[in-house]
Amino acid sequence: QVQLQQSAAELARPGASVKMSCKASGYTFTSYTMHWVKQRPGQGLEWIGYINPSSGYTEYNQKFKDKTTLTADKSSSTAYMQLSSLTSEDSAVYYCAGITFAYWGQGTLVTVSA
Amino acid sequence: DIVLTQSPATLSVTPGDSVSLSCRASQSISNNLHWYQQKSHESPRLLIKYASQSISGIPSRFSGSGSGTDFTLSINSVETEDFGMYFCQQSNSWPRTFGGGTKLEIK
Repeated sequence: QVQLQQSAAELARPGASVKMSCKASGYTFTSYTMHWVKQRPGQGLEWIGYINPSSGYTEYNQKFKDKTTLTADKSSSTAYMQLSSLTSEDSAVYYCAGITFAYWGQGTLVTVSA
Repeated sequence: DIVLTQSPATLSVTPGDSVSLSCRASQSISNNLHWYQQKSHESPRLLIKYASQSISGIPSRFSGSGSGTDFTLSINSVETEDFGMYFCQQSNSWPRTFGGGTKLEIK
């Protein structure tokens, strides 16, 4: 069965960076784009961007373009998202979503605090 | 960016009621509209794709309709497990955008 397993919660200082992972299983990783979505506590969903694991091509929401770097490792079927220059506004749950949003990871909680 | 406006913000219903949730797009998006359910502390779950296409494993009481700018998610005879948040999302253009959500709560 398809699964997207995300990395554990992160606690980071303001100004730092974090890199989270999303390991895919149960399907051909390179056949589908991987999307990333942000959800702040009690808020709605924001699309961050996607990566094509086969080509490495990325597309970003302009709002997150300077904040986010998406990468993928075909050998381990894992997608990564790095967030840089963290502020309190980056405290949120981050989801990976694959196969045209039909499958979602369990989310990675990022808390930015001094 | 395409703005999706969901209404109502909150819908209070009794189990067994049938309900309709609305999603309106700021410009035409054809049928490129998808619906998700999110329960507290869980990931979103895809309910309906391309406005009206059913998803394997989703109960048949969920259905979708609409095209262009106006879309509806209908739940026929709400069950207690259906309470939570519902979001619409468009895939007509970049960036992908989501509606603000409708909270379905028990009356």
